[in-house]
Amino acid sequence: SQKIEQNSEALNIQEGKTATLTCNYTNYSPAYLQWYRQDPGRGPVFLLLIRENEKEKRKERLKVTFDTTLKQSLFHITASQPADSATYLCAFNAGNMLTFGGGTRLMVKP
Amino acid sequence: GAVVSQHPSWVICKSGTSVKIECRSLDFQATTMFWYRQFPKQSLMLMATSNEGSKATYEQGVEKDKFLINHASLTLSTLTVTSAHPEDSSFYICSARVTSGRAEDTQYFGPGTRLTVL
Repeated sequence: SQKIEQNSEALNIQEGKTATLTCNYTNYSPAYLQWYRQDPGRGPVFLLLIRENEKEKRKERLKVTFDTTLKQSLFHITASQPADSATYLCAFNAGNMLTFGGGTRLMVKP
Repeated sequence: GAVVSQHPSWVICKSGTSVKIECRSLDFQATTMFWYRQFPKQSLMLMATSNEGSKATYEQGVEKDKFLINHASLTLSTLTVTSAHPEDSSFYICSARVTSGRAEDTQYFGPGTRLTVL
């Protein structure tokens, strides 16, 4: 069955640095990937969608890459801020449903 | 735009009672809504897909008689947890998909409902 994996360990970085989160998938070739942010006790908030024919997508301080050969997407936050601390989820559509990775918790220290 | 609300945001109930959770798309119409469950430090697990005016499609392992879903209009879906037990305690999140007809339509999520069954 299709699987989507994210590093389950928390990522701790210093304010101002670039955070890079990884999402790997197997047994599937999604046409597009999505990234969400989830704060504790809240529902996920959509951030970015990247299609398989797009190598890179940017939105303000966020950048997402999509490598269909490696079956991997990278999510970057540049000039990170403590307010960026949250869990970040990647997901892809398999038919009508979204399949989520386990999420990576990011902690940005001042 | 694309705001999804849930009510209540949290609920505590006694074992054996039923609880209803509402999910509304506030500024758009959603022919498809989804219900997820999330346990602490785990990812979202899809429970069921709800289409307006038709029966919900449940994922494997989800009891349709226990988790009753009604999608009566293009802006409202409800999830009723019947005869709740402590193991049903979880964070329930709904999402709604903007119906633009594109295959990549984004899902917008509600803020979630924390259910605690004593």
